[in-house]
Amino acid sequence: GDSVTQMEGPVTLSEEAFLTINCTYTATGYPSLFWYVQYPGEGLQLLLKATKADDKGSNKGFEATYRKETTSFHLEKGSVQVSDSAVYFCALSENQGAQKLVFGQGTRLTINP
Amino acid sequence: GAVVSQHPSRVICKSGTSVKIECRSLDFQATTMFWYRQFPKKSLMLMATSNEGSKATYEQGVEKDKFLINHASLTLSTLTVTSAHPEDSSFYICSVLYRVATDTQYFGPGTRLTVL
Repeated sequence: GDSVTQMEGPVTLSEEAFLTINCTYTATGYPSLFWYVQYPGEGLQLLLKATKADDKGSNKGFEATYRKETTSFHLEKGSVQVSDSAVYFCALSENQGAQKLVFGQGTRLTINP
Repeated sequence: GAVVSQHPSRVICKSGTSVKIECRSLDFQATTMFWYRQFPKKSLMLMATSNEGSKATYEQGVEKDKFLINHASLTLSTLTVTSAHPEDSSFYICSVLYRVATDTQYFGPGTRLTVL
């Protein structure tokens, strides 16, 4: 079946550091790919998404590019802030309607001032 | 984004009792809602898809008689954990599917269930 694998956390960085959270996937078709973020005490929020190969999703300074050849969707940000501290989930959906999301295990990110 | 609420946020119950968790879509009508379960330091696992006015669709391995889902209105879905056992202790999260323009799932804040 479909699956998503994220890098193990927790990840701790200093403010203004460069961030990469790796995500790879296994799918039988051509999935849509998502990054969700969960801030402390809140529900998951969609951070960005990409629906086809070579698409780049971006939001709030975060970016991720849909790489079909490496089945990856790594999350990057050039300069992180303390407010970026959260848990980040990579996810896929086999159909375009964002139904039946399959999630990675989540990566906890802590940014120190 | 859409606002989704869950109630209660935390519940503690005794083994053998039933617990109902509510999921409300506060600012749009949702024909489709989802229920997930999250174990500590683990991913979210989809339990079932809840469709307004029809029976829920359960994922493989999820007992439909154990986890009763009712989606009686376009703004409310409920998950009832029947005859709860300690192994049912978990974090339960709902989401609503917002089809207009974005086709995005919006998530509730979750309910922490502890069964003693």
